Amino acid sequence: DGGITQSPKYLFRKEGQNVTLSCEQNLNHDAMYWYRQDPGQGLRLIYYSQIVNDFQKGDIAEGYSVSREKKESFPLTVTSAQKNPTAFYLCASKQRGGTYNEQFFGPGTRLTVL
Amino acid sequence: RKEVEQDPGPFNVPEGATVAFNCTYSNSASQSFFWYRQDCRKEPKLLMSVYSSGNEDGRFTAQLNRASQYISLLIRDSKLSDSATYLCVVNGDNYGQNFVFGPGTRLSVLP
Repeated sequence: DGGITQSPKYLFRKEGQNVTLSCEQNLNHDAMYWYRQDPGQGLRLIYYSQIVNDFQKGDIAEGYSVSREKKESFPLTVTSAQKNPTAFYLCASKQRGGTYNEQFFGPGTRLTVL
Repeated sequence: RKEVEQDPGPFNVPEGATVAFNCTYSNSASQSFFWYRQDCRKEPKLLMSVYSSGNEDGRFTAQLNRASQYISLLIRDSKLSDSATYLCVVNGDNYGQNFVFGPGTRLSVLP
């Protein structure tokens, strides 16, 4: 089955630790995205990548880093510099081009800082 | 002004009711529009795209008014399973790479 997988589903982090969230897709999509969702709020874009070895900052990139070494993988690292990292993190992918191509989402990772 | 705004909600309606959601966007150059559905603690999933001519899918009807920069979603004959948060999504550029999500409107359909 084609789709997007994210792991882990739940993640607990101590203050001062870096953690990496995994996102893998087998949809052969070029574009991939990371969003953050806080309770009662909409999705906010952290980083996106339109092609392998290239990525761009979104609206709230501070304290986060990404890599795009393979087309199917787009891991997100939440660094200790992110002051309020507790949130629901969603990865998405999309076929490039075509204004009506939809974004497909993974099941998300819930990160809690202890 | 926020890029995409929606009715604050929540909407609590009885089964069988008709409910309408409204969304406004600020970028007049926006190219495409969508409604996504998000169940509690789950990922968003596409409900329907919104085309200039308006479109209908079963009990769901979406309308777009570019002049007023306004999008709507109408749900007829509400079912319990329609309970979810509905996200208005606007694509802000020509290449489909910049999706902007509204904060969502929560719907509870009551028995």
